[in-house]
Amino acid sequence: EVVLVESGGGLVQPGGSLRLSCAASGFMFENYEMNWVRQAPAKGLQWVSYISPSGDTMHHTDPVKGRFTVSRDNAKKSLFLQMDSLRVEDTAVYYCARISRIADDALDIWGQGTVVIVSS
Amino acid sequence: QAVLTQPPSVSGASGQSVTISCIGNSSTIGARYEVHWYQHVPGTAPRLLIYGNIYRPSGVPDRFSGSKSGASASLAITGLQTDDEADFYCQSYDSSLRTWVFGGGTKLTVL
Repeated sequence: EVVLVESGGGLVQPGGSLRLSCAASGFMFENYEMNWVRQAPAKGLQWVSYISPSGDTMHHTDPVKGRFTVSRDNAKKSLFLQMDSLRVEDTAVYYCARISRIADDALDIWGQGTVVIVSS
Repeated sequence: QAVLTQPPSVSGASGQSVTISCIGNSSTIGARYEVHWYQHVPGTAPRLLIYGNIYRPSGVPDRFSGSKSGASASLAITGLQTDDEADFYCQSYDSSLRTWVFGGGTKLTVL
């Protein structure tokens, strides 16, 4: 079974840091592009970060540029999101999602999400 | 404000049909970028419902169908069932923002 499981969320003060992890199983993780997507309370989905299969290409949405860094460890089948200088507006459920290999940009597998709360 | 515009809510009686619209512009859907649709029950993993404007992944019932015309797209659901209740999101790419974008989401209520 193809599964993604996020972890690492929690409560952090503004200005603090968190590192999210996403463990993949059931597929050849090293062959897939991966994304992080978030959903703030009572808001819709927002794309956060992208990483290529080899990890040499990364993109981040403007509000997190310079603060968040996406990375991956293909040997451990894991995706990461290092979040620094966290702001109240980063409060959200964070999902890791796999990009389909048969449909450009479609996210065909999602995790259940991990909750990040930034509050003093 | 989301780049792709969806109605906040739609509703329909069990067994009936509904359509959810997703309006983009010349930098998104109108630029011929593909549209994908997701079903999301809060607290669970979102599910890919339609990809490439019109295609259904394996396991998605044919009660769900997608279409695209110009700078907008639509998701149609026929034979509504109570477990269809969820939030539905469209997704595409924005060439001016150079980012993937989602609609604001549409909450489906089955009466």
